[in-house]
Amino acid sequence: QRQLVESGGGLVKPGGSLRLSCVASGFTISEGYMSWIRQAPGKGLEWLSYISSSSSDTNYADSVKGRFTISRDNTKNSLYLQMNSLRAEDTAVYYCVRGTRDGGSVWGQGTTVTVSS
Amino acid sequence: DGVITQSPLSLPVTLGQPASISCRSSQGLVYSDGNTYLNWFQQRPGQSPRRLIYKVSNRDSGVPDRFSGSGSGTDFTLKISRVEAEDVGIYYCMQGTHWPWTFGQGTRVEIK
Repeated sequence: QRQLVESGGGLVKPGGSLRLSCVASGFTISEGYMSWIRQAPGKGLEWLSYISSSSSDTNYADSVKGRFTISRDNTKNSLYLQMNSLRAEDTAVYYCVRGTRDGGSVWGQGTTVTVSS
Repeated sequence: DGVITQSPLSLPVTLGQPASISCRSSQGLVYSDGNTYLNWFQQRPGQSPRRLIYKVSNRDSGVPDRFSGSGSGTDFTLKISRVEAEDVGIYYCMQGTHWPWTFGQGTRVEIK
């Protein structure tokens, strides 16, 4: 069964940093693109970033550009999101997703990030 | 950014009756590869979103055939032929043609 499991969320102060991780099982992430999406409390969905299988192609939403960095380690079947200069509006559930413009065939259960003093 | 507008935002439905959700894009959604990247998701209460339909009308594995997607250009529709209790949740359309890829506001489906 194909599965993605995120971790690394938590409570952080404004201006702080967090690194989210996502481990895949049941498939190999090296086969394709991976993405991060978030959902603020009671809000809709926002596609944040994607990365190609070789890490040569990445892109970011304007809301996180320059603050967040997506990366992957295919040897560990893992995807990462380094989040710096966190703001209150970054409070959300963060989802790891297998895929990109097709919407993603596999979604993780999400990890919650809360930015508050 | 590509704006996606869903309607209605709330949809009370009687069990066994059909339901329809509209999704309208501010821009055409045909990508340079010829595909139209309009996808539909279901988010049940307390769960992660789950993709139901990709590229307008392709149903994901395990998705009941009572779900269908259609449309072209800027106007798209998700139809549920006969609503069941397990269909309660929020439905989102999403465009993957123009970066940043964007989601509609969501349509809450509830049983009357």
